[in-house]
Amino acid sequence: AQSVTQLDSHVSVSEGTPVLLRCNYSSSYSPSLFWYVQHPNKGLQLLLKYTSAATLVKGINGFEAEFKKSETSFHLTKPSAHMSDAAEYFCVVSGPRGSYIPTFGRGTSLIVHP
Amino acid sequence: DSGVTQTPKHLITATGQRVTLRCSPRSGDLSVYWYQQSLDQGLQFLIQYYNGEERAKGNILERFSAQQFPDLHSELNLSSLELGDSALYFCASSVGLTGLTEAFFGQGTRLTVV
Repeated sequence: AQSVTQLDSHVSVSEGTPVLLRCNYSSSYSPSLFWYVQHPNKGLQLLLKYTSAATLVKGINGFEAEFKKSETSFHLTKPSAHMSDAAEYFCVVSGPRGSYIPTFGRGTSLIVHP
Repeated sequence: DSGVTQTPKHLITATGQRVTLRCSPRSGDLSVYWYQQSLDQGLQFLIQYYNGEERAKGNILERFSAQQFPDLHSELNLSSLELGDSALYFCASSVGLTGLTEAFFGQGTRLTVV
C-alpha cells in the first residue's frame, strides 16, 4: 500500500522569497516520487522525479526536492518565488513494482504576492 | 505539450445520459491511466490499461467503464450520469508498467452534468 500526505493545503509567499511545499509519503516498497504542477485550467506538468538515484533532485523552473528516507519526506523547495509559480502542486508516490499506480496527494495551492 | 491528447475538452450533458471520453497516449506509451479530479475528492485514480489489458482499478464506479484499443487509444465511458459526476477527467500515459517512469497528462475533459 502507498499513500502521500501534503501537509499544507495553501502556502502563501511574497515574490522573491523562498518556497517550501511539504510532502510525506508511505510506501511498502522503495518509492518513486514525483512533483507535478497544475496551472489554472491546464493539465499536470512534471516538475521533477526521484527514482532511487541522487536524493537531491533538481527540476524545471528552479525547483528542487530532497528525498529523506528517515523522515519519509519529499519536500519541494525553490529559493525565490516568481509570480508565475502560482499554481496547484501535487506530490505523487509510485512504486517500482506492486503498487505502481501513481497516487496523488490532495495538492497544495501556492499563492505568490507581489 | 505533453503529447497526450484528450477529446473533447468540454462536455455538457444532462443527468441520466451517457458520454464517451477519448484519450490518445504519447507515441510509444503502452500504459494509460484515467483520473477524476473534483474539488471535494482531489485527484482520484480510476483505472489503468497496459497494452490493451486492464491492469488496475481504483475508485471507479460500476456506471463507468473503459477500454484500450489495439492502436492504444483509450475511451472512458460514463453512463447514467449524475450531478456528482461533474469533474475534470484526466488521461495520462507512461512508457511502462512500473512506477519508475513518469506519467504524462493530457489537458483533461471538463464534464458538466446538468
